[in-house]
Amino acid sequence: DQQVKQNSPSLSVQEGRISILNCDYTNSMFDYFLWYKKYPAEGPTFLISISSIKDKNEDGRFTVFLNKSAKHLSLHIVPSQPGDSAVYFCAARPATGGFKTIFGAGTRLFVKA
Amino acid sequence: DTGVSQNPRHKITKRGQNVTFRCDPISEHNRLYWYRQTLGQGPEFLTYFQNEAQLEKSRLLSDRFSAERPKGSFSTLEIQRTEQGDSAMYLCASSLGQGLYNEQFFGPGTRLTVL
Repeated sequence: DQQVKQNSPSLSVQEGRISILNCDYTNSMFDYFLWYKKYPAEGPTFLISISSIKDKNEDGRFTVFLNKSAKHLSLHIVPSQPGDSAVYFCAARPATGGFKTIFGAGTRLFVKA
Repeated sequence: DTGVSQNPRHKITKRGQNVTFRCDPISEHNRLYWYRQTLGQGPEFLTYFQNEAQLEKSRLLSDRFSAERPKGSFSTLEIQRTEQGDSAMYLCASSLGQGLYNEQFFGPGTRLTVL
């Protein structure tokens, strides 16, 4: 039972354009959402997060949007750069047991120069 | 380098053998986590320590798996009688403090191949 779903295994975007990565979740107890980026041969690195009390969080070129009623979040990267090419994992934590992070399967982003 | 380190980075073993992995977290971090990642999937939670206490174990962690963090610093993950289905990337992460919003820092992982 996948509680966090990333339905697009890959996404290709031209440099300078916007990248939009989507994520859906099923567990209404999730209270905190995160995006991680992973390069080959490295562990995931934290990118940006959002609490369930917000609907938007922005950090430089990265913005995360949360739609609780739709149980959907998205990561926007603008402008996209070739160095952004990586696998992006959506993740979520429940309000209780917050140590346990549930990850989606990931979306591989290719940014073409 | 003060990040999370894992050793070995790669391990090839034959089915039925025992293997042990080590994780050294960021020095002041009191929480340590183990995850497993298989091809095409995201990391799956295995277990979690707060200091030396193992506080949670996933159903994924069968009796063949054991994890320790004896002094609240480094941790080991042992798999006994390995099976081909154990082949995966084993990731360790650490974090500081309590609460929902702590950031987990991941190591580079140990890739296990069971022949």
